[in-house]
Amino acid sequence: EPEVTQTPSHQVTQMGQEVILRCVPISNHLYFYWYRQILGQKVEFLVSFYNNEISEKSEIFDDQFSVERPDGSNFTLKIRSTKLEDSAMYFCASSEARGGGNEQFFGPGTRLTVL
Amino acid sequence: AQSVTQLGSHVSVSEGALVLLRCNYSSSVPPYLFWYVQYPNQGLQLLLKYTTGATLVKGINGFEAEFKKSETSFHLTKPSAHMSDAAEYFCAVTTVNTGFQKLVFGTGTRLLVSP
Repeated sequence: EPEVTQTPSHQVTQMGQEVILRCVPISNHLYFYWYRQILGQKVEFLVSFYNNEISEKSEIFDDQFSVERPDGSNFTLKIRSTKLEDSAMYFCASSEARGGGNEQFFGPGTRLTVL
Repeated sequence: AQSVTQLGSHVSVSEGALVLLRCNYSSSVPPYLFWYVQYPNQGLQLLLKYTTGATLVKGINGFEAEFKKSETSFHLTKPSAHMSDAAEYFCAVTTVNTGFQKLVFGTGTRLLVSP
């Protein structure tokens, strides 16, 4: 069964360092998302991406964040200069079509720890 | 703005007992509602969803949920818990509007099943 994969499963970094979180969406999906969950808090939407463009982003997704689809399979989230408060579980998701009824398929997450 | 409230961060049941996980939502427009489950070290997996039509929706693994507009609720139930149901459960809402659908999640409920 097709699935979304994410690497690494756990990333530890020093404050101020750049990190890149990687995701491989399901191959025929066209819509991509990043969410994050700070420990003990809600899963929060960060950004959605379609046709090589950001389609929507939350207020969390500031200039320190960027997303890219560098090739036909990967979808990346970059944090330029990490802060302590960026420590969270980051989930990638993809969907075949847009619209509220379409299922978003989630990856297992990357746990980012900023020291 | 939309929001989701899940009452109870932890719910404990005995194997064979009824499972009831509560979800209330707030939305100014007709909602789409989802329940996702997360097993340890795995991604979020869709259990069931309500979009339109029948208000009682059935999902995988014997779970079902009923959309009650008057109560703004979408509680998740299962008649008889199995040990394998132990996981974290997330309720989420989005809207019927067109566009890219960000999911708004609740804080999650951890279901504990004892023998």
